[in-house]
Amino acid sequence: DTAVSQTPKYLVTQMGNDKSIKCEQNLGHDTMYWYKQDSKKFLKIMFSYNNKELIINETVPNRFSPKSPDKAHLNLHINSLELGDSAVYFCASSLTLGGNTEAFFGQGTRLTVV
Amino acid sequence: GDSVTQMEGPVTLSEEAFLTINCTYTATGYPSLFWYVQYPGEGLQLLLKATKADDKGSNKGFEATYRKETTSFHLEKGSVQVSDSAVYFCALRSSASKIIFGSGTRLSIRP
Repeated sequence: DTAVSQTPKYLVTQMGNDKSIKCEQNLGHDTMYWYKQDSKKFLKIMFSYNNKELIINETVPNRFSPKSPDKAHLNLHINSLELGDSAVYFCASSLTLGGNTEAFFGQGTRLTVV
Repeated sequence: GDSVTQMEGPVTLSEEAFLTINCTYTATGYPSLFWYVQYPGEGLQLLLKATKADDKGSNKGFEATYRKETTSFHLEKGSVQVSDSAVYFCALRSSASKIIFGSGTRLSIRP
């Protein structure tokens, strides 16, 4: 009964590999997000989707490709991983795109590129 | 663009001390304001929110008041506990519908 769940929780991989992180929400929300948290805990939005449509792409390298097969899922695929991609990636969802709605976060995926 | 500035940490207090974590924002329009808390190894949890000027959000003994005149949303708690040790993030929902976070403030409470 987890509201926003993402897998895997930990991911260790070599430079140059391709990896995916999956996210699902069971809250019936319309909007989903990916955030990146760096080693200093700074959180930066990467993407947001509303009803499967890309709304925000925050100048993320095109090695990162989100995919939303339906409004309950937002997966993140990363090609040609680099050392600088090491971070914690958080998926989140909110009821709608605007208004005063808060975001609900998953537990995070700690990605380590070696 | 819209932004959030919060006091740098770490903040270290003794148990039962009074806590203030400052947060100011820059935004067009009238954003909604939030405080989130992140415990070690976990995701972010909403602590409280306020959606219009002079609203006070409160939860678990924490409070913050939306002050439009000073563009601030400072977090306060009258008596902190060891279990409050975490990283606290101030955030706003911008006119572009993004949720923008401050840099986070690490709080450590000594028994």
